[in-house]
Amino acid sequence: AQTVTQSQPEMSVQEAETVTLSCTYDTSESDYYLFWYKQPPSRQMILVIRQEAYKQQNATENRFSVNFQKAAKSFSLKISDSQLGDAAMYFCAYRSPDMIIQGAQKLVFGQGTRLTINP
Amino acid sequence: DSGVTQTPKHLITATGQRVTLRCSPRSGDLSVYWYQQSLDQGLQFLIQYYNGEERAKGNILERFSAQQFPDLHSELNLSSLELGDSALYFCASSVNRHTANTGELFFGEGSRLTVL
Repeated sequence: AQTVTQSQPEMSVQEAETVTLSCTYDTSESDYYLFWYKQPPSRQMILVIRQEAYKQQNATENRFSVNFQKAAKSFSLKISDSQLGDAAMYFCAYRSPDMIIQGAQKLVFGQGTRLTINP
Repeated sequence: DSGVTQTPKHLITATGQRVTLRCSPRSGDLSVYWYQQSLDQGLQFLIQYYNGEERAKGNILERFSAQQFPDLHSELNLSSLELGDSALYFCASSVNRHTANTGELFFGEGSRLTVL
């Protein structure tokens, strides 16, 4: 079974600085999706960024970027120019590719990293 | 707004009782997932339905059951409730029949269950 590990329960960063959240995963599959979700105090799950395993290029969304190392099974999230609104729990998640006959597979989540932004 | 609707948003009940949580997926989404998030914990996968049929099961207790109806909405039934069942229950949907699938799950705002 696939597993996702986030080794940093808590991180903090000064406003406007850069922070990197770590994530590793275990799978025997060659094609899959990886995600970072943000959960602010409102508890809503918000997609931050998505990476398809077959793509070599690291995904980027504005101030958020990933470092995807497929061989190492590592998927870290870098937040540049941190803002107070970035304070949240961040979850790394893995998903198998869709299987048309059986329907899409579930997301497997890591335990999360609580990010604090210091003004 | 993800397009996924969950009701009720908050629910307080007593031990031993039974509750039903409801989820309406995004328009056109065929898959529905249920997740449980206890306080300051990660999301634990409970169960998945695809077009009305159960497709994957996680660590769902025997006291819990779910179903997906022909109109694709889903219900999660929790019975003989215990204090430890207090949690945020998320519904998510994906696999749209009309648009390309991005692999993303779209989450509702969750139903917060408190068992006293």
